[in-house]
Amino acid sequence: EDKVVQSPLSLVVHEGDTVTLNCSYEVTNFRSLLWYKQEKKAPTFLFMLTSSGIEKKSGRLSSILDKKELFSILNITATQTGDSAIYLCAVVHGGSNYKLTFGKGTLLTVNP
Amino acid sequence: KAGVTQTPRYLIKTRGQQVTLSCSPISGHRSVSWYQQTPGQGLQFLFEYFSETQRNKGNFPGRFSGRQFSNSRSEMNVSTLELGDSALYLCASSLESGGQVETQYFGPGTRLLVL
Repeated sequence: EDKVVQSPLSLVVHEGDTVTLNCSYEVTNFRSLLWYKQEKKAPTFLFMLTSSGIEKKSGRLSSILDKKELFSILNITATQTGDSAIYLCAVVHGGSNYKLTFGKGTLLTVNP
Repeated sequence: KAGVTQTPRYLIKTRGQQVTLSCSPISGHRSVSWYQQTPGQGLQFLFEYFSETQRNKGNFPGRFSGRQFSNSRSEMNVSTLELGDSALYLCASSLESGGQVETQYFGPGTRLLVL
C-alpha cells in the first residue's frame, strides 16, 4: 500500500528558531515529491523535487530529497509567526496514470 | 491568469441528499484532481480527469463520481450523502506537457456539511 508519513505531527517553536520537517514515503513508481503550505484555506505550492541531493531554496525555506532513503526534509530558518501553518508533503507516483498521495501534515505553530 | 475556482464555497445538506460541486481549472490546464480533506484523515485523493477521461481513482465508494467537460471544467457528485461526507472538497489543476506531471494548484475548496 502506498503511504506517505510526515513527522512530527505538530511542532511549537519560538520566532527565530530553525525547524526541520520530515516526510518519508513508500510508493510504487515514484515521480516527484511536492511540499505545500496550508493556512486557513487551500494548500499553496512550495517546492517540487524530482532529483536526489539537489536543494531547492525559496527565501528562508529549503528542501531536499533522498530517493535512496525515500525521504525529504523541509527546513525553515529564522521562523516567523507567519510561518504558522500545516505543511503537507505529497508524492506523485504511478505509471501512465498518476496519482498523488498526501501525508497527514505537520502543524507548525510559531510563537512570538 | 485566474486561479482555480470552485463553486459553491459552502454547502449544507441532509443525509440521503445528493450534491454536485464544480471546479474550473486554470486556463490551459487539462488535468483536474479532486480531494477530500477531513481533520482525521487529512487529504485523500478522490479522482483525476484529463481530457474528459478519468485516469485514476482513489479508494472511495461508488457514491462519489465525477466528470470533466471539453473546456476542462469538472464536476464532482456525491449521492446518498452520509454524515461522514462532511469535509472540505478541494479541486486542483495541473499543466501536463509531454507526459511530465507539473505541480498542482489548488482551488479554495467547497466546505460541505451534512446534517
